[in-house]
Amino acid sequence: NAGVTQTPKFQVLKTGQSMTLQCAQDMNHNSMYWYRQDPGMGLRLIYYSASEGTTDKGEVPNGYNVSRLNKREFSLRLESAAPSQTSVYFCASSEASAADTQYFGPGTRLTVL
Amino acid sequence: EDQVTQSPEALRLQEGESSSLNCSYTVSGLRGLFWYRQDPGKGPEFLFTLYSAGEEKEKERLKATLTKKESFLHITAPKPEDSATYLCAVQASRGYALNFGKGTSLLVTP
Repeated sequence: NAGVTQTPKFQVLKTGQSMTLQCAQDMNHNSMYWYRQDPGMGLRLIYYSASEGTTDKGEVPNGYNVSRLNKREFSLRLESAAPSQTSVYFCASSEASAADTQYFGPGTRLTVL
Repeated sequence: EDQVTQSPEALRLQEGESSSLNCSYTVSGLRGLFWYRQDPGKGPEFLFTLYSAGEEKEKERLKATLTKKESFLHITAPKPEDSATYLCAVQASRGYALNFGKGTSLLVTP
């Protein structure tokens, strides 16, 4: 099992460009999450999908959109990138939403110039 | 507002020198407390989940404990390969997000 995979590993964008971060899991988990990690701050939840067909905002959703494509895949889209979105993005999945362990992917390091 | 505070921010130990990392939390209704290990450039790796005060879990040189206000990660006779950042997170009963602390960066020297 690969667990949670993310593409790309690294990306550099110019302000105003758009891009989609891809995430897939092969653990048959119902719930998936997108977090960002910034220096000096803990991981913060951007969006989550408690089950296929549903998505909800987390703590820092502004500037992002998500799509739960199917049970395996959950993508994060930046429509018009800003320097404040420079961060490391982690996707995670869990069997269910409540008190289940969240397993993380390897991350995407994004720089917005 | 839920809060998670980890201390110390950084810790340097000699190989074999046991110590503890602290995670203090305030949350309205604890659903679970999670410990993760994160190596540079990698994603967080799951270590333990604790659900209620008094619970303890062990794995190799690590032992996690939980009270109503804090959790400790005890490291017994650490080795250099235990060097990493250790993250604590809580999940409140009303939500789905994990609320993370800023982490403790542990360095174990030979």
